[in-house]
Amino acid sequence: NAGVTQTPKFQVLKTGQSMTLQCAQDMNHEYMSWYRQDPGMGLRLIHYSVGAGITDQGEVPNGYNVSRSTTEDFPLRLLSAAPSQTSVYFCASSYSFDGTDTQYFGPGTRLTVL
Amino acid sequence: AQSVAQPEDQVNVAEGNPLTVKCTYSVSGNPYLFWYVQYPNRGLQFLLKYITGDNLVKGSYGFEAEFNKSQTSFHLKKPSALVSDSALYFCAVRDKRGATNKLIFGTGTLLAVQP
Repeated sequence: NAGVTQTPKFQVLKTGQSMTLQCAQDMNHEYMSWYRQDPGMGLRLIHYSVGAGITDQGEVPNGYNVSRSTTEDFPLRLLSAAPSQTSVYFCASSYSFDGTDTQYFGPGTRLTVL
Repeated sequence: AQSVAQPEDQVNVAEGNPLTVKCTYSVSGNPYLFWYVQYPNRGLQFLLKYITGDNLVKGSYGFEAEFNKSQTSFHLKKPSALVSDSALYFCAVRDKRGATNKLIFGTGTLLAVQP
């Protein structure tokens, strides 16, 4: 198993540009989520999904959209990038969402918005 | 409010000595607790978790953690540190509010093991 994969690893955007961060998992996990990591703030939940076709907002959803058309993929879209979205983004997945299953994280995407 | 605290930004230890990385939590009900490690420019790797049962949990790479309900702590320990253990360590607790399955992370503790 490849586990959780993310592309790209690095990205530089200009303010106002859009892009999609890709996330895929091959473990048949129902639950997937996106976090952003900022210095001194730990990780914060952006959006999550409990299965194909079902998504919902986390604690910092503004400026981001998600969709989940398949079990495997959970892309994160930035519609109009802003410097405040400069961060490291992690995708995570787990078999269930009752809290007892381990959440596995991808390697991250380091995004810089100029 | 539900939260996780890692009181030390950095822990320094000599190779071969025991190490402890501290974590305290605040959550309603019985907590689900996790430790992750992050190596430079890498993602978070799962080390261990406490869901229920034995208070001493053993995990990957020789790490273990002890759940202490009365002190609301979940400290990470290893009997003998290696230079390769140098990394950023995160404690997390599952947020029991709502259905997000969100993990609430501490701000991380940088472990530096000197040879």
